[in-house]
Amino acid sequence: DAKTTQPPSMDCAEGRAANLPCNHSTISGNEYVYWYRQIHSQGPQYIIHGLKNNETNEMASLIITEDRKSSTLILPHATLRDTAVYYCIVRLNNNAGNMLTFGGGTRLMVKP
Amino acid sequence: GAVVSQHPSRVICKSGTSVKIECRSLDFQATTMFWYRQFPKKSLMLMATSNEGSKATYEQGVEKDKFLINHASLTLSTLTVTSAHPEDSSFYICSAQIYTGVRNQPQHFGDGTRLSIL
Repeated sequence: DAKTTQPPSMDCAEGRAANLPCNHSTISGNEYVYWYRQIHSQGPQYIIHGLKNNETNEMASLIITEDRKSSTLILPHATLRDTAVYYCIVRLNNNAGNMLTFGGGTRLMVKP
Repeated sequence: GAVVSQHPSRVICKSGTSVKIECRSLDFQATTMFWYRQFPKKSLMLMATSNEGSKATYEQGVEKDKFLINHASLTLSTLTVTSAHPEDSSFYICSAQIYTGVRNQPQHFGDGTRLSIL
């Protein structure tokens, strides 16, 4: 699976949009981009995933560049409960149960 | 949404004890489950991939006789840490892959088990 690069930490003011970048310049055509987050002392929580089109759900939006070499996770109105480590992961496109390889992630601190 | 239950959430025991951790998919079937380990301030590291009805696949450096994995049904995988020692103290997390004909179903994670060996 392709490697991802994320900033180690970011701050965001409560109520503002949090934009978390991820570089995945070696992504291949059949790899999806997944985002998970981990709140302290809990298991990772699935947020969103996409291939090449932008995606939106009740938690966040995922913007993938046209060349697919980078993406941005957007939390439109960050709250204090969004403070967590956010992981950007690329994974093969199949149903065979491929593992997720976690990098260092971005530690997002939402401040009042 | 899909729910993965992990039990127990916290274990404190003496050195030499064997500890069993259960991972259950509550509302879906999972042919594949994964076991991760996470040390303080570190990222998750995959230990093994557990496939229903077959032997688990272990990552390099993970002792299969130390970390016994059983995946006897489509909703349950267990990890047994045998003869645990203080260096085995860690946060153990499982995840489950939904079994459907649709590709790229996300994995869903349990809330982890914090193991402390005295």
